[in-house]
Amino acid sequence: LAKTTQPISMDSYEGQEVNITCSHNNIATNDYITWYQQFPSQGPRFIIQGYKTKVTNEVASLFIPADRKSSTLSLPRVSLSDTAVYYCLTGGGNKLTFGTGTQLKVEL
Amino acid sequence: DVKVTQSSRYLVKRTGEKVFLECVQDMDHENMFWYRQDPGLGLRLIYFSYDVKMKEKGDIPEGYSVSREKKERFSLILESASTNQTSMYLCASSLSQEGAIYGYTFGSGTRLTVV
Repeated sequence: LAKTTQPISMDSYEGQEVNITCSHNNIATNDYITWYQQFPSQGPRFIIQGYKTKVTNEVASLFIPADRKSSTLSLPRVSLSDTAVYYCLTGGGNKLTFGTGTQLKVEL
Repeated sequence: DVKVTQSSRYLVKRTGEKVFLECVQDMDHENMFWYRQDPGLGLRLIYFSYDVKMKEKGDIPEGYSVSREKKERFSLILESASTNQTSMYLCASSLSQEGAIYGYTFGSGTRLTVV
């Protein structure tokens, strides 16, 4: 089975940049990489999606190296409200693979 | 923005009841999915559908069935609810392009408690 792993937890302070890496060694040629944010008792919320190199939107950047076996979500200046669990997702159909999730805790 | 709407945020049902969880998406996505999420187990796929009246089993289909009569609606049915089906249920929809699925969007979730 494909394994998609992330650090279990990360701590940061307000205003800092946070980088969360996901390892997806068995990613298939057609697979996109998507990152989600989830608060307790809510559904995962889409953050960013990419296929290769770098993607940036108004809230985050996604860095994908040439071999695509990993990806890094970069949150530029975190605030307290960014405290949440972050998941990466690869694959498609019934072969979707969620990462193990990273609990980000942001403090003052 | 794609909206995936789940009919209830919280539900409490009795053991043995038949339970319907409804999901509607408004962006003409071909694919729809039902997951359950439990602490320590992550998201597990129950059923998915690539088209109207089409369904495929996911990883944990036992005790569940689904219905997709219209493209925008995907229903999850618990035929006879049991306490081990107490969980957070998440619906999702997505597009397909050149064989890849992308644009995965989740609903807000339904927290079901079976007593």
